[in-house]
Amino acid sequence: GAGVSQSPSNKVTEKGKDVELRCDPISGHTALYWYRQSLGQGLEFLIYFQGNSAPDKSGLPSDRFSAERTGGSVSTLTIQRTQQEDSAVYLCASSLRGGVTDTQYFGPGTRLTVL
Amino acid sequence: SQQGEEDPQALSIQEGENATMNCSYKTSINNLQWYRQNSGRGLVHLILIRSNEREKHSGRLRVTLDTSKKSSSLLITASRAADTASYFCATAGPFGDYKLSFGAGTTVTVRA
Repeated sequence: GAGVSQSPSNKVTEKGKDVELRCDPISGHTALYWYRQSLGQGLEFLIYFQGNSAPDKSGLPSDRFSAERTGGSVSTLTIQRTQQEDSAVYLCASSLRGGVTDTQYFGPGTRLTVL
Repeated sequence: SQQGEEDPQALSIQEGENATMNCSYKTSINNLQWYRQNSGRGLVHLILIRSNEREKHSGRLRVTLDTSKKSSSLLITASRAADTASYFCATAGPFGDYKLSFGAGTTVTVRA
């Protein structure tokens, strides 16, 4: 079946604009995760969904960041009033149940550039 | 903050040689995982080793884990040009924690 997909693959925006990043997880996966990868760095955890609820938003860097998941499937990460430091690759992953030993399957990412 | 640190940051080897990279972490874990990333895009899961395991093999990959030293190593044997990628270790746990904590990665270049 299809893997995790993300759109857009690249997004260039001006400072101060809002952006929406989309993630389509693997069908049947109840757990969904967003990570951020800055240039030359490892991945930074942002948020975790189990079904439609987000029990852990601890990684969101500021209140400009929000995410939702509808129908236990598609998730949208929204960044309001973007800043240059938001430039990064945003990666989405899904796993079957969210268990600690579940394999997380990653999408190709969205490369966000804030000018 | 990042839990793991990979060493070296970069590695260049000849095709056919072995590549070894190390990962150190700071807190107790449930398991440690290795991922590969090509061209700065999506990550591919390679192998998971649980905290009560010491060594694991998968094809040309060999992973060791030393929880007393809080360290792991990934060995790729008989490397190929297609192994050129960045490799990340990620830790999970210890209390059933689902989120992974990643290191900054080791960039491996395999020369033909």
